[in-house]
Amino acid sequence: GQQVMQIPQYQHVQEGEDFTTYCNSSTTLSNIQWYKQRPGGHPVFLIQLVKSGEVKKQKRLTFQFGEAKKNSSLHITATQTTDVGTYFCAGPRAAGNKLTFGGGTRVLVKP
Amino acid sequence: GAVVSQHPSRVICKSGTSVKIECRSLDFQATTMFWYRQFPKQSLMLMATSNEGSKATYEQGVEKDKFLINHASLTLSTLTVTSAHPEDSSFYICSATPLVGPETQYFGPGTRLLVL
Repeated sequence: GQQVMQIPQYQHVQEGEDFTTYCNSSTTLSNIQWYKQRPGGHPVFLIQLVKSGEVKKQKRLTFQFGEAKKNSSLHITATQTTDVGTYFCAGPRAAGNKLTFGGGTRVLVKP
Repeated sequence: GAVVSQHPSRVICKSGTSVKIECRSLDFQATTMFWYRQFPKQSLMLMATSNEGSKATYEQGVEKDKFLINHASLTLSTLTVTSAHPEDSSFYICSATPLVGPETQYFGPGTRLLVL
């Protein structure tokens, strides 16, 4: 079945530094979605990418969808303590509107 | 907009009892609601897909007789964990997809279940 993998599993970042987390799907996706889950909280929708090679920015967050629509990345610049949490990517299954979530990247920020 | 609520937020129960969790879309109608389970420091695992007026579809390995789902309206779905056991302790999260608009899932705040 479809698999969605994320690396790294954990990301320790010094406050102010940049980092990138990657998402790879075993199948071509119609779209890729990103969610953020704060510690003790629930996933919150961040963004959806649909087009091949699409790049979208949200303040310090830059999301990219690969040309083959099988991978995606999230780049955060000038990391802040508010960026702490787990970032999940998710891709729709071939049939229906179910999502397959990646394992997530847990981000810890060192002040 | 796109607010989803869950009730209760936290429940502690004795082994063998049943627990009902409600999921409501507050400001939109949802064609589909999803139920996930998340163990500590793990990803979300889809349990079942709930459609208003029809039977829920369960993921492989999820017992439909143990996790009863009722989707009474376009704004309400319930999950009942029957005869709960300690291994059912987990974080249960629902999500809803709006009837109109992109197929984005909006998540409820989750229900932490602890079975003693």
